Amino acid sequence: DQQVKQNSPSLSVQEGRISILNCDYTNSMFDYFLWYKKYPAEGPTFLISISSIKDKNEDGRFTVFLNKSAKHLSLHIVPSQPGDSAVYFCAASAYCSNDYKLSFGAGTTVTVRA
Amino acid sequence: SAVISQKPSRDICQRGTSLTIQCQVDSQVTMMFWYRQQPGQSLTLIATANQGSEATYESGFVIDKFPISRPNLTFSTLTVSNMSPEDSSIYLCSVPTTSGRSNEQYFGPGTRLTVT
Repeated sequence: DQQVKQNSPSLSVQEGRISILNCDYTNSMFDYFLWYKKYPAEGPTFLISISSIKDKNEDGRFTVFLNKSAKHLSLHIVPSQPGDSAVYFCAASAYCSNDYKLSFGAGTTVTVRA
Repeated sequence: SAVISQKPSRDICQRGTSLTIQCQVDSQVTMMFWYRQQPGQSLTLIATANQGSEATYESGFVIDKFPISRPNLTFSTLTVSNMSPEDSSIYLCSVPTTSGRSNEQYFGPGTRLTVT
């Protein structure tokens, strides 16, 4: 059973515009959420995270929003750059339950058009 | 951050054979994780490998199919045994960040396995 879902397999955006990636989860025990970025032939690299005690975390061009009541989070990239073209994975864990395992979504392929 | 290497980077194997994937980390870590990413799917945790103890397998994965070794704090192997085409995947190892929050894992580059 997929506990983390990314319903949009792909996203195409113009350079300079905003990219919005969405992620939904079903497990109410999840309390820590992460976004990973993956280029072809490389492993995923950590991008940004958010704890369930927050509803927003910002790091440069990347902002993650968390809506606990809706069990939904989103990643905003603004402005989008060609180097942002990659696969983005949403992940979640139940950290406060001492469960360090990450549950991943299927990923969203972002293409930034020049 | 940790630097993680995996060998081989890719391989094409015949069904019924076995492949051992190596994961080397440039620092000592207690936990190492092995994931699988089947085509078009999410990363799925296979097992957690702690040095000095048996690996802990997730539901749907068994030791006979995916034996794991963890001889020291910087190295681990995952063997994919008696392979079938359904085992064609990218296999990745990861380690926790040193920040204390083990959720922020560092990943190796992955091993792309194709079983014919």
